[in-house]
Amino acid sequence: NAGVMQNPRHLVRRRGQEARLRCSPVKGHSHVYWYRQLPEEGLKFMVYLQKENIIDESGMPKERFSAEFPKEGPSILRIQQVVRGDSAAYFCASSVDSSGQPQHFGDGTRLSIL
Amino acid sequence: DQQVKQNSPSLSVQEGRISILNCDYTNSMFDYFLWYKKYPAEGPTFLISISSIKDKNEDGRFTVFLNKSAKHLSLHIVPSQPGDSAVYFCAASDYQLIWGAGTKLIIKP
Repeated sequence: NAGVMQNPRHLVRRRGQEARLRCSPVKGHSHVYWYRQLPEEGLKFMVYLQKENIIDESGMPKERFSAEFPKEGPSILRIQQVVRGDSAAYFCASSVDSSGQPQHFGDGTRLSIL
Repeated sequence: DQQVKQNSPSLSVQEGRISILNCDYTNSMFDYFLWYKKYPAEGPTFLISISSIKDKNEDGRFTVFLNKSAKHLSLHIVPSQPGDSAVYFCAASDYQLIWGAGTKLIIKP
C-alpha cells in the first residue's frame, strides 16, 4: 500500500529545539497539504505545496514555521524553537490535483513538547 | 469563523439502524464536499464526496445528500455496523479542505 507516509509517527522535543516532520506523498501525486489537529478539534489547514512551490501558506504561522516540497524527496514541515503550544498531531495529505480530487492522508506525526 | 460546522459532537446508534451525520456550511462558493472517517492514532480516510452540482451520491452503505439552499449536507450509513464506530469529519473543498470539528459515531451492538 503506497499511501502517504509520514515520519516520525511520534516526536518529542524540548522547548526551543527544532522539529522536522516528513511526508512522502502517494506516488504520482504532486500536491501536498499539511494540517494540524489540536485535541477535540477538526483539522486546520496550514500550507499547500506543489513540487518546489508554495501555493498557499495562509494557515501557517509566519514565524518559526516553514515548509518545502523539493523536486526530489519528501515534503518537510519545519518548526523552529518549538513551544508547548506546538504540541499537536500534524497530518500530511496528497492529491493528484486540486480539482476536488480526494486528498489522501498519512497517519500523522504526534509532536509533544516537554 | 467556522465555515463548516458539525453541531453534534457524538452520536450513538444501534447496530443495523441508520446513522445520520449532519454538517452545515456558510460559504456558497464551495464546489465539493467530502466525508472522512478517522480512527484514533490514524489519519483520516476518505469515504465519499459530492459535487455542488449534485444533490445525492451513493456508494454502498454510504449516501451523502446535499441541500444547497439550506447549505446543509448529511451522511447516511445504513445499515450501521460496529466497524463504523469512528469520528466522522465533513470537509468542504476550496482546494484546501475546510474541516468541521467531527462527530464521534458509536455503534451499539
